[in-house]
Amino acid sequence: NAGVTQTPKFQVLKTGQSMTLQCAQDMNHEYMSWYRQDPGMGLRLIHYSVGAGITDQGEVPNGYNVSRSTTEDFPLRLLSAAPSQTSVYFCASSTREVQAKNIQYFGAGTRLSVL
Amino acid sequence: LAKTTQPISMDSYEGQEVNITCSHNNIATNDYITWYQQFPSQGPRFIIQGYKTKVTNEVASLFIPADRKSSTLSLPRVSLSDTAVYYCLVGPIGTGGFKTIFGAGTRLFVKA
Repeated sequence: NAGVTQTPKFQVLKTGQSMTLQCAQDMNHEYMSWYRQDPGMGLRLIHYSVGAGITDQGEVPNGYNVSRSTTEDFPLRLLSAAPSQTSVYFCASSTREVQAKNIQYFGAGTRLSVL
Repeated sequence: LAKTTQPISMDSYEGQEVNITCSHNNIATNDYITWYQQFPSQGPRFIIQGYKTKVTNEVASLFIPADRKSSTLSLPRVSLSDTAVYYCLVGPIGTGGFKTIFGAGTRLFVKA
């Protein structure tokens, strides 16, 4: 049982490039989400999903796309990377019942730099 | 969601008890208090949650006074490995959805 797995751990992009951050969980959790964490700040919600085929926007969705074709995977796509998207990205998952208690399980993060 | 206020940083020495206080003056009747811990280069990890009085688990204790306008996370006899950022979250539970908001947290640095 690996929990929440994020790949890659580090990535450097040039402005305008696109890429996909991968997130997979093996706990059969319905809920998955993406956050970004900037230096000295907390986590801000980008997108989330309450089940396969269902996604919705969080606090800072602009510049990011998501899809949820399976329960296990929730990739985050950067369409045209900008320096403002330099950040650490965390994926999290939870069951509906545990999510309702404000409890989520986080991956180790992807550190992204956009030059 | 209730706004929370925590100290930006704290220093401690190994073996000491550390108390981190979170203020949440606008806490609502159905809000719970949840604490997460984030080690360097890792994602946040849930450590404890409570509604009132005292909750204790193998990691920490959570003290909540009767008026619930603040809460204190207590870490007994800290070690170097307790160096982390600690987040206090306040929000309702039982309704589902994404209401978890992480502020800047408290950066605890434990020294030898």
